This record gives sequence, structure tokens and C-alpha cells, in this order.
Amino acid sequence: GAVVSQHPSWVICKSGTSVKIECRSLDFQATTMFWYRQFPKQSLMLMATSNEGSKATYEQGVEKDKFLINHASLTLSTLTVTSAHPEDSSFYICSASPPDRGNTEAFFGQGTRLTVV
Amino acid sequence: TQLLEQSPQFLSIQEGENLTVYCNSSSVFSSLQWYRQEPGEGPVLLVTVVTGGEVKKLKRLTFQFGDARKDSSLHITAAQPGDTGLYLCAGAGTASKLTFGTGTRLQVTL
Repeated sequence: GAVVSQHPSWVICKSGTSVKIECRSLDFQATTMFWYRQFPKQSLMLMATSNEGSKATYEQGVEKDKFLINHASLTLSTLTVTSAHPEDSSFYICSASPPDRGNTEAFFGQGTRLTVV
Repeated sequence: TQLLEQSPQFLSIQEGENLTVYCNSSSVFSSLQWYRQEPGEGPVLLVTVVTGGEVKKLKRLTFQFGDARKDSSLHITAAQPGDTGLYLCAGAGTASKLTFGTGTRLQVTL
């Protein structure tokens, strides 16, 4: 199966600082990656679509200046949480789909648990 | 906005019991996936169903896609503690976006 790797697995940061999360497709190229946020015991909420070489597409209600997305290569997308606050604490997960799977079977990273103190 | 409602939200059963999880929507999807997620990890794909009425089996798990491609079910036979986790259905829409269901948390005890 396809492998998507996310780093770091967990991070603790102080309020007001920025945190960068990386999402890599290890054995396939992904022109599109997706970033989700998940609150405890809840489902995944799509935050944005990361597009290689162009601007990300954000879902309604997601602040693009708060959650900066960069997709500079076909195997790497980054999500930067800027000026983090405790309410940004959450589990962030990325996904990507190999082109030969019709772009509809998603493979997920391990997730990043962000705690802002 | 496409919504996928799963039921039940939470299910606690004993080892050996059977169960069914439902995923319902008013929207039509080109395909539907089922995932299982364990705490602190990303979801893992279990199956994709594409054709209306399609039935797929994965060992003790049976997945069905509704004829109208708006709903799906997951049936587990003789549940085991290893089946414990959060089960998520997800419908494929435009631009490769997935809409996730509300989730069903399954706990199987000895």
C-alpha cells in the first residue's frame, strides 16, 4: 500500500509561537494532499486542500493566515500553525491518494498531536 | 454541504457478538470508503465500494453499498477485541475530496 509519513508525531509549544507539521508521500507523487483536524472522540474535519505549485484551497471557516500551507514538491506538504493558542490544540492529520488509485482512496499520515500551553 | 451520518455513535459489545454500523447520506457519492482509526493514529483504509448494491467481504467484515450510492453498511461477524476502534465512512466527491461520516466508536470486550 501507499505510505504517507507525518512529522512530528506530537509537539508541545508555547502560546504565540508557530509550529510546522510535515506530510510526505514516501512511495508516490501527490499533486494534492489534504489536511484534517480531529477533536477528541470526533470525526475528521477537512481544513484545506494542498495543491502542488499553487495556493491551497481552504474550507469555509478555516483561517488561511492562521494555517499556512505550502506544497513545494510532489512529495511534501507542510502545515504551519502560526501564533498558536490553546484552542489550536488538536490532532492534525494529512492524507494523499496515489494517482493509480483514481485519487479516491486516501492514505493517511500518523497524525500530529499539537498541544499549545 | 454533504453530510454522512453514522449510527450508532458508540457501541460496546462482548467478544463473539455480531454488529452492524450504518452510514447514511442524502447525497450520491461516486465511491465510498470505510476506515478504522485507533487512538493517536491516522485512519487506515479498509475497503472502497464503487458500484450501487456492491458487497465486499474482508474476513469477518462485510461492506455493502446502497443501490442508490447514498448509504453503506459495515457488518462485523464474531467481533474480537482487536476490532476495537473508531470506524469512519467517507464519501468521495469532487476534486478528490472525501467527506467523512460522524464516526462509530466500537469497543469489544472479553
